Amino acid sequence: QVQLQESGPGLVKPSETLSLNCNVSSGSISEYYWSWIRQPPGKGLEWIGFIFHTGSINYNPSLKSRVTMSLDTSKNQFSLKLRSVTAADTAVYYCTRDSMVKTPVSGFDVWGRGTTVTVSS
Amino acid sequence: QSVLTQPPSVSGAPGQRATISCTGSSSNIGANFDVHWYQQLPGTAPKLLIYGNNNRPSGVPDRFSGSKSDTSASLAITGLQAEDEADYYCQSYDSSLNGVIFGGGTKVTVL
Repeated sequence: QVQLQESGPGLVKPSETLSLNCNVSSGSISEYYWSWIRQPPGKGLEWIGFIFHTGSINYNPSLKSRVTMSLDTSKNQFSLKLRSVTAADTAVYYCTRDSMVKTPVSGFDVWGRGTTVTVSS
Repeated sequence: QSVLTQPPSVSGAPGQRATISCTGSSSNIGANFDVHWYQQLPGTAPKLLIYGNNNRPSGVPDRFSGSKSDTSASLAITGLQAEDEADYYCQSYDSSLNGVIFGGGTKVTVL
């Protein structure tokens, strides 16, 4: 049973870079597409981007200028960097997996528990 | 403002049927991209409820069903139970935005 675990600082200062990792507990990270999704307090879900081990990446156009995602097959983990953060980036950040092998946007069937990131000085 | 439009809230008595709509456009649902549905209980991560418009993952009760037509999709919950109180989100892909999109979410209340 695949499990995902987000890790990273819970507090980031404005204008700095938010950095998160997602550890994939079992199975091959190379078979699926992996996404980051966030949820501001009291609001809905926002997709940040997805990545595949081949280097295929797609970012939310509204965040594209500030986002970098990467994937490390040797560590079975993938990462998110969001630059120049503001208070509007305060949210619970989830890492997720698409449900079908080698198929993006097939439904996110595995989710991490989420990590709360607060942007504040 | 979400690209996919959902009603903010839906309610029903135990045992009744509740339906949540998800309205899109010709660049997402109408372009034949799949719709997926999620249930989010308070304080927890979302859970995949329906994938590929009308498929239930293993373990999801058959009280939940999905459908899609033209530029809209729907999630139906039959035989409402108190444990169904949650937020529900639809999700698809938009070719104009070239990205994954979510509906704004619907809060289901069991009266």
